[in-house]
Amino acid sequence: NAGVMQNPRHLVRRRGQEARLRCSPMKGHSHVYWYRQLPEEGLKFMVYLQKENIIDESGMPKERFSAEFPKEGPSILRIQQVVRGDSAAYFCASSPWTSGGASSYEQYFGPGTRLTVT
Amino acid sequence: GENVEQHPSTLSVQEGDSAVIKCTYSDSASNYFPWYKQELGKGPQLIIDIRSNVGEKKDQRIAVTLNKTAKHFSLHITETQPEDSAVYFCADITGGFKTIFGAGTRLFVKA
Repeated sequence: NAGVMQNPRHLVRRRGQEARLRCSPMKGHSHVYWYRQLPEEGLKFMVYLQKENIIDESGMPKERFSAEFPKEGPSILRIQQVVRGDSAAYFCASSPWTSGGASSYEQYFGPGTRLTVT
Repeated sequence: GENVEQHPSTLSVQEGDSAVIKCTYSDSASNYFPWYKQELGKGPQLIIDIRSNVGEKKDQRIAVTLNKTAKHFSLHITETQPEDSAVYFCADITGGFKTIFGAGTRLFVKA
């Protein structure tokens, strides 16, 4: 059973370009979370999605950032018009359904995408 | 808002000694407390967790304790080995899904 997959692992963008980060959850997992990690810091929650639904995006910047988790295919975190301050590691995590329909507490992380904005 | 404080930020121990990392949280509604290990260039890996109805949990050389009254929880690693060297993060879960991470502890185990 493959773990959480993220690609690309490294992404370099010039200021003003768009960055698209992809996340494929573990098989059987329906819940996806995105986190951002700045150097020497902990992870900061950005957004929580289920298939075709954004459940909580309270950690997402209001502008330039968007996320989706379509019925088919990976979850996408999209950053438009990137700036140098967007340089960070972006991690995706997934968790399974519980019998009550809520997300299981255990979250399993992917290897991350390291975004560098030049 | 929710906050998790983690200490120390850096910890250096001799191989075979024990290491203890401590965290405090602010949200009294939190009921799940995972610990993650992150090696250089990799994603966080869940190593142990504890729920609020349990005071202590052990898995081989790793143990976690929880004091809900004081809002403290700690990670204990015994008989440390060089491969334990990594950054360790405590976290708590609020609202059933929102993970709040501590700032991390960089553990060095000297051979």
